[in-house]
Amino acid sequence: AQKITQTQPGMFVQEKEAVTLDCTYDTSDPSYGLFWYKQPSSGEMIFLIYQGSYDQQNATEGRYSLNFQKARKSANLVISASQLGDSAMYFCAMRENNNDMRFGAGTRLTVKP
Amino acid sequence: NAGVTQTPKFRILKIGQSMTLQCAQDMNHNYMYWYRQDPGMGLKLIYYSVGAGITDKGEVPNGYNVSRSTTEDFPLRLELAAPSQTSVYFCASSYSGTGVRSPLHFGNGTRLTVT
Repeated sequence: AQKITQTQPGMFVQEKEAVTLDCTYDTSDPSYGLFWYKQPSSGEMIFLIYQGSYDQQNATEGRYSLNFQKARKSANLVISASQLGDSAMYFCAMRENNNDMRFGAGTRLTVKP
Repeated sequence: NAGVTQTPKFRILKIGQSMTLQCAQDMNHNYMYWYRQDPGMGLKLIYYSVGAGITDKGEVPNGYNVSRSTTEDFPLRLELAAPSQTSVYFCASSYSGTGVRSPLHFGNGTRLTVT
């Protein structure tokens, strides 16, 4: 069964606007971590933000924030004030106590000038 | 600090050939991983290791083998290469001390084509 679902294959956003990238997950483990990675066209994987299952507050890192709704099993990434350099693939991932990390299929974000 | 180093960066194999993708990390991480990324897709876990001498299968282990004789190195072996193994391969590592909180640190990938 798919553990991480990203339903938006592609998204467009106007420069300086905010955008939300969706991610839902499936686990029965009470302890887990949720991660977002950025993959620019150059191909490297860049870690953006982390949210723990027991964290009471939504994670934030600069222009990135995570809208964590535990009961709905969603962990959406919000990018504020989009920049042209934000154009990339974005992957949601989950880590459970068996130590592996599984990724969603990704969302390609294009920022329009 | 080099982080995670993968070699080679690119490789073309003929069907039936074998090769080893090298991965080394200098961060003293116990956990190491191999993923493949097919064009336009997400990352699929091939194998992972939680320490020297310990390896486990991921989602797509068929056609691959791994070994972990040292903390630093985690080579991936392809036996009898097939066109379906054409992909970009990523090695990653993570710190074990903070459990599920630890992000993965990725190498820059190896682009493999099997023809």
